[in-house]
Amino acid sequence: KNEVEQSPQNLTAQEGEFITINCSYSVGISALHWLQQHPGGGIVSLFMLSSGKKKHGRLIATINIQEKHSSLHITASHPRDSAVYICAARGRDDKIIFGKGTRLHILP
Amino acid sequence: GAVVSQHPSWVICKSGTSVKIECRSLDFQATTMFWYRQFPKQSLMLMATSNEGSKATYEQGVEKDKFLINHASLTLSTLTVTSAHPEDSSFYICSAPKLAGGVFTDTQYFGPGTRLTVL
Repeated sequence: KNEVEQSPQNLTAQEGEFITINCSYSVGISALHWLQQHPGGGIVSLFMLSSGKKKHGRLIATINIQEKHSSLHITASHPRDSAVYICAARGRDDKIIFGKGTRLHILP
Repeated sequence: GAVVSQHPSWVICKSGTSVKIECRSLDFQATTMFWYRQFPKQSLMLMATSNEGSKATYEQGVEKDKFLINHASLTLSTLTVTSAHPEDSSFYICSAPKLAGGVFTDTQYFGPGTRLTVL
């Protein structure tokens, strides 16, 4: 059974700080997703990774397949980045297992 | 880019009524769609896999007679919460993987979600 663990569960930081959110999973996957969920629930898909590193604006996502670990980084964080960030691992059976999310709060 | 829509975005209903939630893939065909549920401050949980033209596959603990799934076309899956009760109040999200050449790609598109409140 695939399990997805995220850390930290909650993170409060000052505007401008470099943010790192970690995700570990327990079995082989075909892809890993990073999602952003704003208050009210709407989900935005940030990245889909199967290897290496991706960058989009101030967001960077990396994945290490051997270590079964992925990180989401936010550079020059801003209050509008405040949201819940969810790691989701897609198993080889196509089913997606979600982490419990990291609640990020950026203070102005 | 590809978009998955859901309708309605929110719904409030009385206990005992049935509610239908639609999930549409807007510019691609989705032979498979996934339905998830999220209770407040909890993780998203997979409820069922919706397959076009065949029966849905439900996860353990999800009542198939209560959560009716119909995937009648390549772009539409519906989830009907029958005889809804307050404990069914939740955030329901669908997603669809994109096919390329008949094979699933790794790209998964998520709908914006539907917030159901049962009074």
